Amino acid sequence: IQMTQSPSSLSASVGDRVSITCRATQSIRTYLNWYQQKPGKAPKLLIYAVSSLQTGVPSRFTGSGSETDFTLTISNLQPEDFATYYCQHSFTIPYSFGPGTKLEIK
Amino acid sequence: QVHLVESGGGVVHPGRSLKISCVDSGSTFTSYAMHWVRQAPGKGLDWVAVISYDGFNPHYSDNVKGRFTISKDNAKHTLYLQMDSLTTEDTAVYYCARGVSGSYIDHWGQGTLVTVSS
Repeated sequence: IQMTQSPSSLSASVGDRVSITCRATQSIRTYLNWYQQKPGKAPKLLIYAVSSLQTGVPSRFTGSGSETDFTLTISNLQPEDFATYYCQHSFTIPYSFGPGTKLEIK
Repeated sequence: QVHLVESGGGVVHPGRSLKISCVDSGSTFTSYAMHWVRQAPGKGLDWVAVISYDGFNPHYSDNVKGRFTISKDNAKHTLYLQMDSLTTEDTAVYYCARGVSGSYIDHWGQGTLVTVSS
């Protein structure tokens, strides 16, 4: 199963609402997770099973979708949200990641 | 509580071997599957391998199958990755990470850099 993400990069301003799309080459049901990574740091789990928010993650992060098409939406962007975002499926081994979406400050 | 610390990275020649480790100082290591995920310089995340909570069921990506071996010592709270026949394509930061219910990854170490170069 291959994962794609769009866009590959995105410029936005503090306070904006942005969406990142992730697509699988076959149905992965609801086995879709989102991670945030900042430069020089390990990834951090944001959302698992499409829409479940990891403990401590702000509610401005939401996930949606099913089968092959998924979306991560960030509302009211904050300065600390500028980072790279990866989707990952956990439907079958190997658990592949998407190529990432870099969110930059406009 | 989970605290994963990788070690053992370094510079190695192509074709040689290296074994990296990850110690969990927390109390839940024996109950969870563990993963290795790598990231080449300036590139995205690349899932490498996973092993079951009891250390008996390893699985690998096609890129490393037959060359890498993941193992888990629950008595020592330590995860290992034995890497053989290394190539320059294996140059990356290697992260160990905790897997939940055979599904998502909820905790990551800080990573250890492996550089394969002549």
